[in-house]
Amino acid sequence: GQQVMQIPQYQHVQEGEDFTTYCNSSTTLSNIQWYKQRPGGHPVFLIQLVKSGEVKKQKRLTFQFGEAKKNSSLHITATQTTDVGTYFCAGDLAGANSKLTFGKGITLSVRP
Amino acid sequence: NAGVMQNPRHLVRRRGQEARLRCSPMKGHSHVYWYRQLPEEGLKFMVYLQKENIIDESGMPKERFSAEFPKEGPSILRIQQVVRGDSAAYFCASSPLSGQEAFFGQGTRLTVV
Repeated sequence: GQQVMQIPQYQHVQEGEDFTTYCNSSTTLSNIQWYKQRPGGHPVFLIQLVKSGEVKKQKRLTFQFGEAKKNSSLHITATQTTDVGTYFCAGDLAGANSKLTFGKGITLSVRP
Repeated sequence: NAGVMQNPRHLVRRRGQEARLRCSPMKGHSHVYWYRQLPEEGLKFMVYLQKENIIDESGMPKERFSAEFPKEGPSILRIQQVVRGDSAAYFCASSPLSGQEAFFGQGTRLTVV
């Protein structure tokens, strides 16, 4: 079945450093989404990418969808303590009535 | 427009009892997903439903677990004869279309004692 992979599972950075994480799918995706979950909270939708090579920015966050629509990246510029949390990518198989499959997420901690 | 509502937020059950978790999707959303999350783990897909239909239940254990999304009322995830290993956070999400942005509820934290 379709797999969405996020490695590593944890990353620790110093406040002010940049941070990049990747998401890879075993199959082509019709779209990819990113979510953030704060400790003790629930996942919150951040962004959806649909087009091959698409790049979207949200303040210090930059999201990119690969040319082959099988991978994606999230880059955070100058991390802040408010960036702490787990970032999940979720992929949708190309086709109808498909479920969202989540990666295991990467938990980011930021040292002040 | 209220968000996705899940209740109860916390549920304690003794081994062998039944657990019923409810999810009211956002208004206008007919697609509902249930996910399970263990501490410090990712979201494990359980079941995907549209009104009155189960579209994909490949992530749900064959025994003791069932889900429904009736024409009227919330979606229900039912766990019969709970065991300690069922203790987890269960999240429901809804979306207006298949595979589109999902809005999550705050989850039900199930503890089996």
